[in-house]
Amino acid sequence: DGGITQSPKYLFRKEGQNVTLSCEQNLNHDAMYWYRQDPGQGLRLIYYSQIVNDFQKGDIAEGYSVSREKKESFPLTVTSAQKNPTAFYLCASSKTGRSPLHFGNGTRLTVT
Amino acid sequence: GQQVMQIPQYQHVQEGEDFTTYCNSSTTLSNIQWYKQRPGGHPVFLIQLVKSGEVKKQKRLTFQFGEAKKNSSLHITATQTTDVGTYFCAGPQTGSNDYKLSFGAGTTVTVRA
Repeated sequence: DGGITQSPKYLFRKEGQNVTLSCEQNLNHDAMYWYRQDPGQGLRLIYYSQIVNDFQKGDIAEGYSVSREKKESFPLTVTSAQKNPTAFYLCASSKTGRSPLHFGNGTRLTVT
Repeated sequence: GQQVMQIPQYQHVQEGEDFTTYCNSSTTLSNIQWYKQRPGGHPVFLIQLVKSGEVKKQKRLTFQFGEAKKNSSLHITATQTTDVGTYFCAGPQTGSNDYKLSFGAGTTVTVRA
């Protein structure tokens, strides 16, 4: 059954700690994305990767980092430099730039 | 990048009634996509519109892309409780590649039985 797996579903961290969110896909998609969702707002693009070993900043990349060493994996690290890290994080993939996005179930991160 | 605006932000509908949600862009879009997110869930792709004036139907849902490719609408007839959720439209950001989608803030739909 193809899809995108994000783990964990809920994550709690203390302020000042870095945390890495996992995203794995077995859809054989070239492109992968990380979005952030806050209450009452649309999805905002953090980083995206068009192809393995390449990634670009989205609209709100400050305080985040990513890597794309394998086609299937696109982990997101929320660093201590991110001022408001508490949010719902969604990973997505697509076959190409114009293809629909397939989303994972999301990770809800709470930083206190 | 351009902004994609959605109205209304909230839509409270009596079961069985029709409603429409609108999506407006400040610039021309090469395509527009619609997604639905159920409460507690993740966005799920509904449809993509590419051509000027295009109309597509999915059962009780009718999607339309404006002639100028700057606006779109989603019309739901005979609303059911299964229609509850937030509907997002998204289009590629102007001057950027198609990978950078700009999402509207969404229309959150609740249904009164």
